[in-house]
Amino acid sequence: QSALSQPRSVSGSPGQSVTISCTATHIDFGGYGYDYVSWYQHHSGKVPKLMIYDVNKRPSGVPDRFSGSKSGNTASLTISGLQAEDEAVYYCCSFEGRNTFAYVFGGGTKVTVL
Amino acid sequence: QVQLVQSESELKKPGASVKVSCKASGYTFTNYAINWVRQAPGQGPEWMGWIDTNTGKTTFAQGFTGRFLFSLDTSVSTAYLQISSLKAEDSAVYYCARGGYSYDFHYWGQGTLVTVSS
Repeated sequence: QSALSQPRSVSGSPGQSVTISCTATHIDFGGYGYDYVSWYQHHSGKVPKLMIYDVNKRPSGVPDRFSGSKSGNTASLTISGLQAEDEAVYYCCSFEGRNTFAYVFGGGTKVTVL
Repeated sequence: QVQLVQSESELKKPGASVKVSCKASGYTFTNYAINWVRQAPGQGPEWMGWIDTNTGKTTFAQGFTGRFLFSLDTSVSTAYLQISSLKAEDSAVYYCARGGYSYDFHYWGQGTLVTVSS
């Protein structure tokens, strides 16, 4: 079964950096590759917010403290200069491509600002 | 500006059906597919599938076949999610979402809480 694995939680002090990994297993990307990874910030009771798309691109309005990268089948989200308002759950998501045109989400990582 | 506005929360009994609406504004409705995403309490989001707003063609993720239906009314720029034979485990927040840049979900509805309880 297709899966994106994330750590359950990460933490850091204000000003520090944290990195969240997202490892793809059993996903057939077909001709697309693991190139369409997006990241979402979700504060409880609010709507998920797109933070990164296409592995490392930032939507307009997202601070440049947020950056994305990829190595092999593991994508990562790094938050630099951690701020209190960054405390949230972060989900990765990948487009599976192939013939199904489907998406899969990771289980989410709780970021705690100490 | 792009907006997706969903219908209000629903409380249903097991075995009943529910229909959630997602009204789009601020863009040409038929230019973007509408995706549906479920988030059960304490769980991560699950992509349920999508509907092509041009053709009405639907694609469902594994686990969302049979009791789930996506439909459109393009005259009012609205997409619908219908779930039949509701079960307690269908209790969740259901979101509609639209891409913006690439293969992503840039715009989200505010979510509709569906509670299934006797």
